[in-house]
Amino acid sequence: GAVVSQHPSWVICKSGTSVKIECRSLDFQATTMFWYRQFPKQSLMLMATSNEGSKATYEQGVEKDKFLINHASLTLSTLTVTSAHPEDSSFYICSARDYISLAPSTDTQYFGPGTRLTVL
Amino acid sequence: GDSVTQMEGPVTLSEEAFLTINCTYTATGYPSLFWYVQYPGEGLQLLLKATKADDKGSNKGFEATYRKETTSFHLEKGSVQVSDSAVYFCALSYNQGGKLIFGQGTELSVKP
Repeated sequence: GAVVSQHPSWVICKSGTSVKIECRSLDFQATTMFWYRQFPKQSLMLMATSNEGSKATYEQGVEKDKFLINHASLTLSTLTVTSAHPEDSSFYICSARDYISLAPSTDTQYFGPGTRLTVL
Repeated sequence: GDSVTQMEGPVTLSEEAFLTINCTYTATGYPSLFWYVQYPGEGLQLLLKATKADDKGSNKGFEATYRKETTSFHLEKGSVQVSDSAVYFCALSYNQGGKLIFGQGTELSVKP
């Protein structure tokens, strides 16, 4: 099946620094990628929808200036947490939509393994 | 707004036991429904899906039926294995590969 990778798998940073997380679709092109945040023992909350070549669409309550998303190519989207603080510590998960090459009935979202961010 | 509610975990079962994980949803339209599974250390994987009322999704011995009248999509398996230990997420979407709304997840632990 289709594979989505994330890098790094975990990162520890100091408060006030910025952290970039990469999401790659390894064997398919993804015009749309999604970024989720998952708190311990809780569900995945959609943060934003990333569309190749255009601005990301953020969910209500998500700070655009804090969580910068760039989808520069059909296989790469990045999430940059700017001026990170301890409350930004979380598990960040991306997914990629495989739609270009498949029929609508098989339109599917594939998930990366996630990135654990700890802000000290 | 739209939402998904799952039964709380963790759920602990013995091998070969019958599994049910309840999922109910609230939706303003007619969404597709999904079950995703997250094995330890791995990303979410699509387990099964149903796109309209009365559809039954099935995969790897798991089944779920889209019940519009009860707004439910309960996950069942007749005989669980240790390898089924994972976190299971119920979700809905108005496009199959589009924006997903997840339930809170249910952790399943199967003991030998």
